[in-house]
Amino acid sequence: DIQMTQSPSTLSASVGDRVTITCRASQSISSWLAWYQQTPGKAPKLLIYKASTLEIGVPSRFSGSGSETEFTLTISSLQPDDFATYYCQQYNSYSWTFGQGTKVEIK
Amino acid sequence: QITLKESGPTLVKPTQTLTLTCTFSGFSLYTSGVAVGWIRQPPGKALEWLALIYWDDDKRYSPSLKNRLTVTKDTSQNQVVLTMTNMDPVDTATYYCAHGLVPFDFWGQGTLVTVSS
Repeated sequence: DIQMTQSPSTLSASVGDRVTITCRASQSISSWLAWYQQTPGKAPKLLIYKASTLEIGVPSRFSGSGSETEFTLTISSLQPDDFATYYCQQYNSYSWTFGQGTKVEIK
Repeated sequence: QITLKESGPTLVKPTQTLTLTCTFSGFSLYTSGVAVGWIRQPPGKALEWLALIYWDDDKRYSPSLKNRLTVTKDTSQNQVVLTMTNMDPVDTATYYCAHGLVPFDFWGQGTLVTVSS
């Protein structure tokens, strides 16, 4: 299986901060990586796919980068709606896997 | 507009088999490239990918659960069914189905399944 490791597990930040979350794959996944945002009690929402392609309707303050084994999700200026948990997911291999999540909390 | 909805029991006993149905609209599993996936999330924990079924009936399973999972589709009824055998309290979770293309761009609301005697 391909393992996905996110860091940090929890991040405390303020509105307006630039935030970066890292996701590492246990082996190369090319650019087959997605990022999701989840708020309590809701289904995840797709933000970015193919490592850096913004899903339609997602604000441009979200961006993704990386390839092979190391990826980042950046929020350029954190907004109140962005306090949530973020997950990466690889879809390169026969079976897909999620990272363990990064919770973005209010500082 | 793509929508998906999960249905099934909210409570199952240990050792029983869970059967969940995903009923969807706005897309077809006759369409090349389309897939429907199942994902679960134990309370307060991370998402876990379970299974995927493609338009051509190709099926993929989580390696750690593949001996317990079966996914099937009824294309004419716009439904995908997930069965999980030998349920245990650790399988208590919200189970989601999702439309898979980029990969999971549309999700159902999820259904909480509790495993308890």
